[in-house]
Amino acid sequence: KAGVTQTPRYLIKTRGQQVTLSCSPISGHRSVSWYQQTPGQGLQFLFEYFSETQRNKGNFPGRFSGRQFSNSRSEMNVSTLELGDSALYLCASSLDGTKAYEQYFGPGTRLTVT
Amino acid sequence: AQSVTQLDSQVPVFEEAPVELRCNYSSSVSVYLFWYVQYPNQGLQLLLKYLSGSTLVKGINGFEAEFNKSQTSFHLRKPSVHISDTAEYFCAVSTSSNTGKLIFGQGTTLQVKP
Repeated sequence: KAGVTQTPRYLIKTRGQQVTLSCSPISGHRSVSWYQQTPGQGLQFLFEYFSETQRNKGNFPGRFSGRQFSNSRSEMNVSTLELGDSALYLCASSLDGTKAYEQYFGPGTRLTVT
Repeated sequence: AQSVTQLDSQVPVFEEAPVELRCNYSSSVSVYLFWYVQYPNQGLQLLLKYLSGSTLVKGINGFEAEFNKSQTSFHLRKPSVHISDTAEYFCAVSTSSNTGKLIFGQGTTLQVKP
């Protein structure tokens, strides 16, 4: 089975712009979670989507949003980018958030905001 | 709320020596516990998980961990490390009501020296 894929792998944006990141989960996985990884804050949970519904949300401002499509693919959007949004954004999928608990991670999208 | 503390930010060890990476957690409810490994410029790979049952769990690449409920710990061990084990290791927890949300420790960098 193909693993979790994320596109693009690298992205450079300017402050004030917006960005959309994409995540394709492992086939059959219905839950997709997003995480932000930075040297200072470590790995932080952004949100989780299951069956096209946001099921859980972390402590991030409203500039961070996401969605999930009927094929379980997910996107996250960051509007009005700030320098502090520079990070590695990881998505993870799991078979079913209520019955299988391990998450499988993609390689991440490295976002640099200048 | 849950929290995870990884007690060592860096662990240097010589090749073929044993290693233990320490992880303590805090939670008012039962938790699921995970160890992930991250190699440079890659996503996270699941090493092992504890959901219930036997407190000693074995994972990939010769790693094992022991769940100690009274000490709220989940330390990772390997009897003999290789150069290729050099990476960053993350301990994480989730709960039955939030399986799609992992709370991570700050990570431990394992440096295996020849």
